[in-house]
Amino acid sequence: SQQGEEDPQALSIQEGENATMNCSYKTSINNLQWYRQNSGRGLVHLILIRSNEREKHSGRLRVTLDTSKKSSSLLITASRAADTASYFCATESNSGGSNYKLTFGKGTLLTVNP
Amino acid sequence: DTGVSQNPRHKITKRGQNVTFRCDPISEHNRLYWYRQTLGQGPEFLTYFQNEAQLEKSRLLSDRFSAERPKGSFSTLEIQRTEQGDSAMYLCASSPTSLKQYFGPGTRLTVT
Repeated sequence: SQQGEEDPQALSIQEGENATMNCSYKTSINNLQWYRQNSGRGLVHLILIRSNEREKHSGRLRVTLDTSKKSSSLLITASRAADTASYFCATESNSGGSNYKLTFGKGTLLTVNP
Repeated sequence: DTGVSQNPRHKITKRGQNVTFRCDPISEHNRLYWYRQTLGQGPEFLTYFQNEAQLEKSRLLSDRFSAERPKGSFSTLEIQRTEQGDSAMYLCASSPTSLKQYFGPGTRLTVT
């Protein structure tokens, strides 16, 4: 079953603008990860934030995590047409024996118009 | 590091037929995962191997599904007596000791 929900389901912006995607989840987690998927292809890991972290940066990406609200956000600054893809949040539960499996949300489809 | 590879990339089969997919993880990655993704949804966990041991199976993995990783390297996922509801993208991922997973390009299965 899906752990979380991304919001919005779809987002269309102009090149150069910032894009913000949100993710909510249901259970306690060890970490939350964001992945990108180009149409019909595999997923690429973008960034991981642990449950004891509140904010993390990687290049043009900024991720926040609020464990009290069970939510995370991904900000992509100065977007480019090449950022067009689906973005998924994925959580690793901290229940015993999780085996590091990931539970994904439904994703946000980002379209960056040139 | 040549990445995770999956074969075939596309498979069209008739309902009732058996299909087998292969995943070659990044060498020396001891963890291997299978996920299934349907259109408009995120990937859903199917099963997990640590080396050759299958340590977890999802309830999604009915008795028509079987996965193996005989020597702790490549893995196969077999679906017997395929049904139209099995049509999906089947994704394989591997990881070393880190938490990050490396995904293959997937095998798209269409059951007619």
